[in-house]
Amino acid sequence: IVLTQSPGTLSLSPGERATLSCRASQSVGSSFLAWYQQKPGQAPRLLIYGTSNRATGIPARFSGSGSGTHFTLTISRLEPEDFAVYYCQQYDSSLWAFGQGTKVEIK
Amino acid sequence: EVQLVQSGAEVKKPGESLKISCKGSGYKFTSYWIGWVRQKPGKGLEWMGVVYPADSETRYGPSFQGQVTISADKSIITAYLQWNSLKASDTAMYYCVRQGWDYDSGTLMGGDYWGQGTLVTVSS
Repeated sequence: IVLTQSPGTLSLSPGERATLSCRASQSVGSSFLAWYQQKPGQAPRLLIYGTSNRATGIPARFSGSGSGTHFTLTISRLEPEDFAVYYCQQYDSSLWAFGQGTKVEIK
Repeated sequence: EVQLVQSGAEVKKPGESLKISCKGSGYKFTSYWIGWVRQKPGKGLEWMGVVYPADSETRYGPSFQGQVTISADKSIITAYLQWNSLKASDTAMYYCVRQGWDYDSGTLMGGDYWGQGTLVTVSS
């Protein structure tokens, strides 16, 4: 399964809403779609699993949705610490694949 | 506290062999898959493969099958990533990551805990 994220870069201001897209080359079980955040020099951090479940400690401004071949990560109001790179991932049957990432940068 | 602690940075020459490690603690090591993820400088995440420490079952991503060996030693709660002959193109940060399990809903979680990363530099 190939995951394609769009846009490649999203330029927004703090307080704005961010909508990130992840499209799969074939259907992904909704239980097996995750989103990660990665900041420079850090390991990725799990944000969302099972399409829409927030991982422990993740703020409510992060939400995930979608099904089949199209999934979305939404950040309702960007905080300064949210500017980072975001990756989607499918993890069906312990065979994983990552999207190429979307960079959310300060406008 | 769950922790994955990886071995330190390595500098190697092309053609050399290398084995890096990832030690788990704070959880039952044999109950969770451990994966390895490559990140080349300035690039995205690439899934290399996973190992189930209880029985050492492994699965590899298509790009990495035959290129690396993933293993685990449950007696010392450690997973490994190994190369027999490094290339300059293997220069990257390598992360180990635990595939989590949500016991409340009975579903897989993706990578819930990550190691700090091991930087491998291959240069003549």
